[in-house]
Amino acid sequence: SQQGEEDPQALSIQEGENATMNCSYKTSINNLQWYRQNSGRGLVHLILIRSNEREKHSGRLRVTLDTSKKSSSLLITASRAADTASYFCAPNNDMRFGAGTRLTVKP
Amino acid sequence: EAQVTQNPRYLITVTGKKLTVTCSQNMNHEYMSWYRQDPGLGLRQIYYSMNVEVTDKGDVPEGYKVSRKEKRNFPLILESPSPNQTSLYFCASSFLGSTGELFFGEGSRLTVL
Repeated sequence: SQQGEEDPQALSIQEGENATMNCSYKTSINNLQWYRQNSGRGLVHLILIRSNEREKHSGRLRVTLDTSKKSSSLLITASRAADTASYFCAPNNDMRFGAGTRLTVKP
Repeated sequence: EAQVTQNPRYLITVTGKKLTVTCSQNMNHEYMSWYRQDPGLGLRQIYYSMNVEVTDKGDVPEGYKVSRKEKRNFPLILESPSPNQTSLYFCASSFLGSTGELFFGEGSRLTVL
């Protein structure tokens, strides 16, 4: 099994801007999932992208997957203060997590 | 409502006093797992269980025990807590399979003095 590595560790933007965070992994996958964690709370599942998909949308979220580079990105468009959270990726629904990307959206 | 319930949510205890953090899920999930989260270290897996009576060590199992006597419950036991076990603990569950989404409890903040 493997865990994803999120990058950057921290990201601070103004409300209305877009936020992009990245995930890298080491071995081939069938799918990759993204989770969000509000401060001190349990993780919440955001989106799953399968290995045969290159891009997936869910509301203001856009996830891309590049299996040749073993990487994924999560884009949050028109960010809001409520998007302030840590974001984690989980390759192949691995039940282990990296340190995440801490996103701060300033009003 | 589908949920994972942890108790207690907050606990302050002293070194050496055995404690149990309970975890229960109502989604008939096969898989359950415990994590601890410390600043800058992300979530680290303590123990997990693929089904009743099947448990395995995660990355940081030392000082912890678990049991899975029923499908819905997966208690975390600290036989002799120490200050380095002060942390935020999460229980999670999911169906097995490559697309199984993990459902997390709200967390249990434990302080060992």
